[in-house]
Amino acid sequence: GAVVSQHPSWVICKSGTSVKIECRSLDFQATTMFWYRQFPKQSLMLMATSNEGSKATYEQGVEKDKFLINHASLTLSTLTVTSAHPEDSSFYICSARDTAGSLAGELFFGEGSRLTVL
Amino acid sequence: AQSVTQLDSQVPVFEEAPVELRCNYSSSVSVYLFWYVQYPNQGLQLLLKYLSGSTLVESINGFEAEFNKSQTSFHLRKPSVHISDTAEYFCAVSDQGHTPLVFGKGTRLSVIA
Repeated sequence: GAVVSQHPSWVICKSGTSVKIECRSLDFQATTMFWYRQFPKQSLMLMATSNEGSKATYEQGVEKDKFLINHASLTLSTLTVTSAHPEDSSFYICSARDTAGSLAGELFFGEGSRLTVL
Repeated sequence: AQSVTQLDSQVPVFEEAPVELRCNYSSSVSVYLFWYVQYPNQGLQLLLKYLSGSTLVESINGFEAEFNKSQTSFHLRKPSVHISDTAEYFCAVSDQGHTPLVFGKGTRLSVIA
């Protein structure tokens, strides 16, 4: 299946700093990528939909100025957590949709990035 | 809006016993249905999917799920579980790929030796 790479897998930062997480589709082009957030022992909550070459669409309750999303190419989307605080500590997972061929509609997930803000 | 219900948050089962993880979704004309598995501190891996065609879909590691349109269900089953099947399982639905996936809250399968 298609591969989505997410980096870094673990990151620890001080409160007030910014952290960037990258999501890459390695063997397919993804015009749309999704960013999810997962709290411990809970399901995934969609944060935003990232569209290549345009502004991201944020879900209700997600601060777009805090969670900056850039989708500059068909294989890369980045999520920047700005001025991070301890409550931002979470597991962030990106996914990409392969819209071509038989995989249409299927989402492929990165391995996730665990952010810990001290 | 689409929603997914996984009735069981935790399912303990003995090794080699059968298991069923339940999933129901809110009604829609046409849907794509997925089961994902998540091992500790990892992202999600696709287990199996229903897009169209046969209502019974199978994974390579012995899981199967049946799409039941009248009951709006997509329950996951395995006739004999292994210790390595211990993980969190998420059911997800999309309106024929036109909308982002909506996930259920997950079911933690614990296989006991």
